[in-house]
Amino acid sequence: KAGVTQTPRYLIKTRGQQVTLSCSPISGHRSVSWYQQTPGQGLQFLFEYFSETQRNKGNFPGRFSGRQFSNSRSEMNVSTLELGDSALYLCASSLSGKMETQYFGPGTRLLVL
Amino acid sequence: AQKITQTQPGMFVQEKEAVTLDCTYDTSDPSYGLFWYKQPSSGEMIFLIYQGSYDQQNATEGRYSLNFQKARKSANLVISASQLGDSAMYFCAMRGAPSGSARQLTFGSGTQLTVLP
Repeated sequence: KAGVTQTPRYLIKTRGQQVTLSCSPISGHRSVSWYQQTPGQGLQFLFEYFSETQRNKGNFPGRFSGRQFSNSRSEMNVSTLELGDSALYLCASSLSGKMETQYFGPGTRLLVL
Repeated sequence: AQKITQTQPGMFVQEKEAVTLDCTYDTSDPSYGLFWYKQPSSGEMIFLIYQGSYDQQNATEGRYSLNFQKARKSANLVISASQLGDSAMYFCAMRGAPSGSARQLTFGSGTQLTVLP
């Protein structure tokens, strides 16, 4: 079974631009969560989607948004990029979003200049 | 609120020896899950092992075992017979009751393990 895939793997943007990251979960998994990882803040939860609905949201500004499609694929969007948005963005999928294991993708490294 | 504490920023171990990575947690949820992930320099988070709060026995997965002491709120990872490929960052994480903010994974700050030849 294929794992979680994320595209693109690397991205360079400039301040003020916007960016869209994509995540395809493991086949059959309906819950997709997004995390931001930075050296200073560590791993922080962004949001979780299940059946095309956002079920949970972390403490991030409204510039961070996401959505999930009927095939469970998810996208996250960051508008008006800031230097501090430079990070590794990790997507994770699980069957239903309960306490079962979340499986992570390889991540997207975003650099904002 | 949930909290995970990993007090060892870095650890060194000789190849073929065992090593214990410490993790303590805090939660008010009666039901929760504890996880360990490995993150090599490539960035991908690799799931290693899971322990449920009601599991009576410590979890084991190959060379990985989880030393779960519920009363002490600790969930230490034991890696036996370390290999050079085990060099990576290791994260302890927790997931609480399936509602509200406890649903997501809460991570510790990680332990950088280096296996010496």
